[in-house]
Amino acid sequence: ILNVEQSPQSLHVQEGDSTNFTCSFPSSNFYALHWYRWETAKSPEALFVMTLNGDEKKKGRISATLNTKEGYSYLYIKGSQPEDSATYLCARDTGTASKLTFGTGTRLQVTL
Amino acid sequence: DAGVIQSPRHEVTEMGQEVTLRCKPISGHNSLFWYRQTMMRGLELLIYFNNNVPIDDSGMPEDRFSAKMPNASFSTLKIQPSEPRDSAVYFCASSFFGAGDEKLFFGSGTQLSVL
Repeated sequence: ILNVEQSPQSLHVQEGDSTNFTCSFPSSNFYALHWYRWETAKSPEALFVMTLNGDEKKKGRISATLNTKEGYSYLYIKGSQPEDSATYLCARDTGTASKLTFGTGTRLQVTL
Repeated sequence: DAGVIQSPRHEVTEMGQEVTLRCKPISGHNSLFWYRQTMMRGLELLIYFNNNVPIDDSGMPEDRFSAKMPNASFSTLKIQPSEPRDSAVYFCASSFFGAGDEKLFFGSGTQLSVL
């Protein structure tokens, strides 16, 4: 993996479904992995910053895991709601004054 | 704190004109970033400053783009002359490097349209 890659590119689920998406990144020079939530017509907002291999963070119905050795992170949303509709970005931080490299995001749409 | 403040929110200009985008970071933050968001490339870093000093401007597309940070509370991104392909949303973000949780706080962006 040379760049930060996210999959799937887009996802359409129904209210109540649980879902997850993947962020893959180069495992070398790792400092931290960021997840951001980006609603349409707004600016990205930080969800999690993860640094340790095996780390797991949770915020309400959203959680994330991190594997720094193999270079991936999963974001899970339990019981999706329409307000979860957004683009979810991950970004790799090499520790150089927080210079982040962003993936292209996973666009989630939750319908009733 | 009011968060990262960007101005203007929208800018429409003609090709060849000079465009200046402005950013006020969160007070106390020591790092400031300019990003550009396009459909083709997503969110790409143009330049970032640490303690008002430009650290990495390798993402600046070409010499038509320049950025300054004269003090800890203000930065500008200038495009001169502007071209239609510069049309994009430009985000400014700030963070505190050294806190151990260096998440970025983004401004609301400037939607630039070059005709």
